[in-house]
Amino acid sequence: DAKTTQPPSMDCAEGRAANLPCNHSTISGNEYVYWYRQIHSQGPQYIIHGLKNNETNEMASLIITEDRKSSTLILPHATLRDTAVYYCIPANFGNEKLTFGTGTRLTIIP
Amino acid sequence: DVKVTQSSRYLVKRTGEKVFLECVQDMDHENMFWYRQDPGLGLRLIYFSYDVKMKEKGDIPEGYSVSREKKERFSLILESASTNQTSMYLCASSYGSTSYEQYFGPGTRLTVT
Repeated sequence: DAKTTQPPSMDCAEGRAANLPCNHSTISGNEYVYWYRQIHSQGPQYIIHGLKNNETNEMASLIITEDRKSSTLILPHATLRDTAVYYCIPANFGNEKLTFGTGTRLTIIP
Repeated sequence: DVKVTQSSRYLVKRTGEKVFLECVQDMDHENMFWYRQDPGLGLRLIYFSYDVKMKEKGDIPEGYSVSREKKERFSLILESASTNQTSMYLCASSYGSTSYEQYFGPGTRLTVT
């Protein structure tokens, strides 16, 4: 499995876009990038995933670089409820086993 | 909505006790998982199951066993609890081999004294 590097913590002002980077330089060709988040006292929650094209859903956008060695999760208009730990996880599609690292603790500042 | 429930939010047990953590999902998912979460270490996979009576070891299976007698229920067993098993335990489920989304329960905070 590819290793990931994420900043341990970030702050973002409420209403601004939160951009969370992830480096996954050892990702293999058939590995997707999954993003999950974990709000305090809850289990992790799936956000989005992608292979090489940029993806968008109702929660977030995912930008993957052309060489696929890094990606950025974008929360376009952060709210206080987006305060959470965000995990970037490379894995094969349909691979039941996800390896969660320590993630980025995002704090949204009022 | 998918629901994954865990039998307790908080549990306190003594060293040497046998501990059962229960997880139930209501969406007919094939796959179920047990993780533990510790500060600075993230989530680590203990065991998972892709079918009834099937199980596979995760990254840290030592000191644990699991049971899956029914599709909706996955139990984690600590045969003889030790203080280093004090942790947050999270259960998850997912649908089949093409699922990219795991659904997590709220977690059980286990303290072993």
